[in-house]
Amino acid sequence: DSGVTQTPKHLITATGQRVTLRCSPRSGDLSVYWYQQSLDQGLQFLIQYYNGEERAKGNILERFSAQQFPDLHSELNLSSLELGDSALYFCASSHLVGTGGRTEAFFGQGTRLTVV
Amino acid sequence: LAKTTQPISMDSYEGQEVNITCSHNNIATNDYITWYQQFPSQGPRFIIQGYKTKVTNEVASLFIPADRKSSTLSLPRVSLSDTAVYYCLVGDLSNDYKLSFGAGTTVTVRA
Repeated sequence: DSGVTQTPKHLITATGQRVTLRCSPRSGDLSVYWYQQSLDQGLQFLIQYYNGEERAKGNILERFSAQQFPDLHSELNLSSLELGDSALYFCASSHLVGTGGRTEAFFGQGTRLTVV
Repeated sequence: LAKTTQPISMDSYEGQEVNITCSHNNIATNDYITWYQQFPSQGPRFIIQGYKTKVTNEVASLFIPADRKSSTLSLPRVSLSDTAVYYCLVGDLSNDYKLSFGAGTTVTVRA
């Protein structure tokens, strides 16, 4: 158990709909990362938050947004869903940024999103 | 993060040692080298991290030559359960926040 909790584990929804994925980081971790992994694809970095602020953005679509709340949990919002958005979405958390390059990210078990 | 190059796939047999080499010619002074393991439908799991020379833990060893332009992850006496994708990441995570993964190396262990 990595200590990172993602809910729900599975989600099936129709095209055009909007969903929210939730991530609770490990206790004490201020950084949260979101990733998308499509079938047989690598991990695509979407976005990162540190203590409530957006710190880095990857190949995240405009239909997707995220935020990190004061209690440090994070949500990834996916809207106007398309069939191609079907994927595993992972959340990861890590300890304080600024640890001299030495850090470790802990990943949750992911949310499997199926758009039909 | 520095660009990394690693083999797409490797095959091995139970009980053998598996060595995966990652090239990172543009590694910067403050960069660390980190390896993750991912099983199908699971999130990646941290294996080992190092800066120079050799690092060993209960799972693997990481060898880093003096020029740091490459690194080798060594998995001793692999078992079927070591079949997974292994990712090499290079960067200073205190300054580069993207924590980007490449394609990784698919290691298949056969009986």
